[in-house]
Amino acid sequence: NAGVTQTPKFRVLKTGQSMTLLCAQDMNHEYMYWYRQDPGMGLRLIHYSVGEGTTAKGEVPDGYNVSRLKKQNFLLGLESAAPSQTSVYFCASSDRVNQPQHFGDGTRLSIL
Amino acid sequence: DQQVKQNSPSLSVQEGRISILNCDYTNSMFDYFLWYKKYPAEGPTFLISISSIKDKNEDGRFTVFLNKSAKHLSLHIVPSQPGDSAVYFCAASEASGTYKYIFGTGTRLKVLA
Repeated sequence: NAGVTQTPKFRVLKTGQSMTLLCAQDMNHEYMYWYRQDPGMGLRLIHYSVGEGTTAKGEVPDGYNVSRLKKQNFLLGLESAAPSQTSVYFCASSDRVNQPQHFGDGTRLSIL
Repeated sequence: DQQVKQNSPSLSVQEGRISILNCDYTNSMFDYFLWYKKYPAEGPTFLISISSIKDKNEDGRFTVFLNKSAKHLSLHIVPSQPGDSAVYFCAASEASGTYKYIFGTGTRLKVLA
């Protein structure tokens, strides 16, 4: 039972490079989320999706784009990476409103 | 503006004693609250939740208390075990269908053997 799988687990980028983080869930959940975790800041919502083909902005969306072409996948893109985007990124999913979210193990991203 | 606050960054407790983790919130529209536990290099895992129609919810060694008038919730772990050593996050959401959770900054609990 994989749950929520994030790839890659680690990545180092240079400023200005682009990349895509992949989140896949096998629980048939409608809702998916991308968070970033920074020291002393807790988890902050970047973007979320309430179903296939939908996306919405969270608290800190600038510099990121997302897509949800398939129900099981939620992609987070950085078009032009900046050092301020160095963080640990977590993907989560849930099946209904006000239900616990299931998290992946995170992607540690460093931008030099 | 931090809507969900965990003012204690860390807490140390002796094995077998009670651990009390606290969380305060400012948004009176929050009506569903959760606690997550996080080990290093892993994602947060759901621990326990409570809706605003209750003031207490228990699950084994874990109990969450909600004081709506004070906008305060707490997580009690009794008895504490070394395996409980982790970072604990509280989170809150509104039941108006926003689908969004606001997380606190976390409290690192260390249970001493």
